[in-house]
Amino acid sequence: GENVEQHPSTLSVQEGDSAVIKCTYSDSASNYFPWYKQELGKGPQLIIDIRSNVGEKKDQRIAVTLNKTAKHFSLHITETQPEDSAVYFCAAPRPGQFYFGTGTSLTVIP
Amino acid sequence: EPEVTQTPSHQVTQMGQEVILRCVPISNHLYFYWYRQILGQKVEFLVSFYNNEISEKSEIFDDQFSVERPDGSNFTLKIRSTKLEDSAMYFCASGGRGVSGNTIYFGEGSWLTVV
Repeated sequence: GENVEQHPSTLSVQEGDSAVIKCTYSDSASNYFPWYKQELGKGPQLIIDIRSNVGEKKDQRIAVTLNKTAKHFSLHITETQPEDSAVYFCAAPRPGQFYFGTGTSLTVIP
Repeated sequence: EPEVTQTPSHQVTQMGQEVILRCVPISNHLYFYWYRQILGQKVEFLVSFYNNEISEKSEIFDDQFSVERPDGSNFTLKIRSTKLEDSAMYFCASGGRGVSGNTIYFGEGSWLTVV
């Protein structure tokens, strides 16, 4: 069954501030952790991912950190912009299964 | 850039009717998935498909649902005897390799409304 918990469910930040979304997983065998962004009426789009052999990965304003010991990983968005407003989903795939977290609705207030 | 395409984008059907949702995965991908998203809720896994057979399915994917890869390019989801609660966005996804350690790419979805 599902093995990923995500929080917060909603997050509002002022434009220019940072946003952090956290996911925890249960299967210690998980070794790949993607983050998806879903804009209204569209399919989820991969924005960043991390594999278990690294602790942090950054791509411009987006970063993901992984703590394998604690079984959690986080998405960090810096200098947020209105176009960052969307629903963000994490995932911790297991063989044959690709379950998502419950999603975080991020609103960036101009 | 290769993408997953889905048709129809929106379908309205009478309760009790059968619906077929179609997907064209990315051409060199081998793993295919269907997901469901009820309005305002999370993306729920339905089924994964590899080597012409179901790899995994969730408890949602009961006898009402079936999947097929009829011609080597299309991947379809059939919903028999639709119910009101089947109204949702259905997403197809594909991946080049197994999900463990590899990502999957989503289509734009098919919005199903059962009336």
